[in-house]
Amino acid sequence: AQKVTQAQTEISVVEKEDVTLDCVYETRDTTYYLFWYKQPPSGELVFLIRRNSFDEQNEISGRYSWNFQKSTSSFNFTITASQVVDSAVYFCALSGRTGGFKTIFGAGTRLFVKA
Amino acid sequence: EAQVTQNPRYLITVTGKKLTVTCSQNMNHEYMSWYRQDPGLGLRQIYYSMNVEVTDKGDVPEGYKVSRKEKRNFPLILESPSPNQTSLYFCASSLSYSGTDTQYFGPGTRLTVL
Repeated sequence: AQKVTQAQTEISVVEKEDVTLDCVYETRDTTYYLFWYKQPPSGELVFLIRRNSFDEQNEISGRYSWNFQKSTSSFNFTITASQVVDSAVYFCALSGRTGGFKTIFGAGTRLFVKA
Repeated sequence: EAQVTQNPRYLITVTGKKLTVTCSQNMNHEYMSWYRQDPGLGLRQIYYSMNVEVTDKGDVPEGYKVSRKEKRNFPLILESPSPNQTSLYFCASSLSYSGTDTQYFGPGTRLTVL
């Protein structure tokens, strides 16, 4: 079965701190896709990144970076120099052939960034 | 503007009163899906549709119905709502039925069943 675990329910940091959100996944597929979404207080879901299982290169986008490690089945998300606007719930998700490419979401991590 | 729209955004209803939440996308996407979001559970898929007239159950389909008569629309029907269906609902669409494509989400519908 496929599963996504976000063990951190809530994280609180002070502005300008770096913060890493953990995501651990389980799948038997060799081809699969991992996603991160952001849900700000306004409630909408904002796509952040998609990564396929064959591409283990880390990715950086501004203050955001992602560390994909197949050896530990992890796809962690780091925000550098956090800002108040980063306060949101962040979801990690997995899609694979098992289960017909349905997207399985983790429970989410709520990030509070204090000024 | 490419988007997924849902209506209504907020709804308070009573047990047993049939309701429909509409979902429409203007991106010519084949794949559409409904999710519900509950605290501590993330998003769980209710139903999905790979194309017109093709629908299938997700992980939590009980108490819901869907239809896909046109490519752009994918309404969610609650024939006899119950309080345990109080939740935040999201419609999503993607270009194809494949994990390679990014899902675009609607703004959400907050439903309260009394």
